[in-house]
Amino acid sequence: AAGVIQSPRHLIKEKRETATLKCYPIPRHDTVYWYQQGPGQDPQFLISFYEKMQSDKGSIPDRFSAQQFSDYHSELNMSSLELGDSALYFCASSSDRGHNYGYTFGSGTRLTVV
Amino acid sequence: DAKTTQPTSMDCAEGRAANLPCNHSTISGNEYVYWYRQIHSQGPQYIIHGLKNNETNEMASLIITEDRKSSTLILPHATLRDTAVYYCIVRVVGSGNTPLVFGKGTRLSVIA
Repeated sequence: AAGVIQSPRHLIKEKRETATLKCYPIPRHDTVYWYQQGPGQDPQFLISFYEKMQSDKGSIPDRFSAQQFSDYHSELNMSSLELGDSALYFCASSSDRGHNYGYTFGSGTRLTVV
Repeated sequence: DAKTTQPTSMDCAEGRAANLPCNHSTISGNEYVYWYRQIHSQGPQYIIHGLKNNETNEMASLIITEDRKSSTLILPHATLRDTAVYYCIVRVVGSGNTPLVFGKGTRLSVIA
């Protein structure tokens, strides 16, 4: 079965650079969620999109932005990177059609800011 | 404020049942209880969810108390590969695609 695809798997950037993370949801899933997980931390919700519109917003810094495209894939854009942005970034997708059977998470992108 | 409370860590012998408790005393009538787990640095994995009835699937069983203020996830025969952080999450279903909010889960160590 198709899963949530995230790219790249690993990314190394320098401070003040920009980074773009991509997420391809499971086919026919209409909602995408982004999470950030710092070292030793629990996943923190950043932002979500439903049918290409922003749905919910969590603790996403102003330096970050995201969007969902017509093919439902999503991109998380991160600018002016800081050392503290080093983390695992997970994307998840779901389809709420009456009864929700949970999200499916991707394998994550490990971002290292040096 | 956290909506769920879980033990920080638990140990379980391989082959035995692992019983992971969760307290959600402020749960609302339209909130489901979800369980996810995260094996080291992998994406969280859905395990099971329920509203008020006990549920069972190929991975686990979920026991919800009658007053719905607590629940227990049961892994009937724990293996070393079940070592992970287990998250209990309450979430409203049916009012849009509300995000999962992870709290502090339970780190389960399955010991040979």
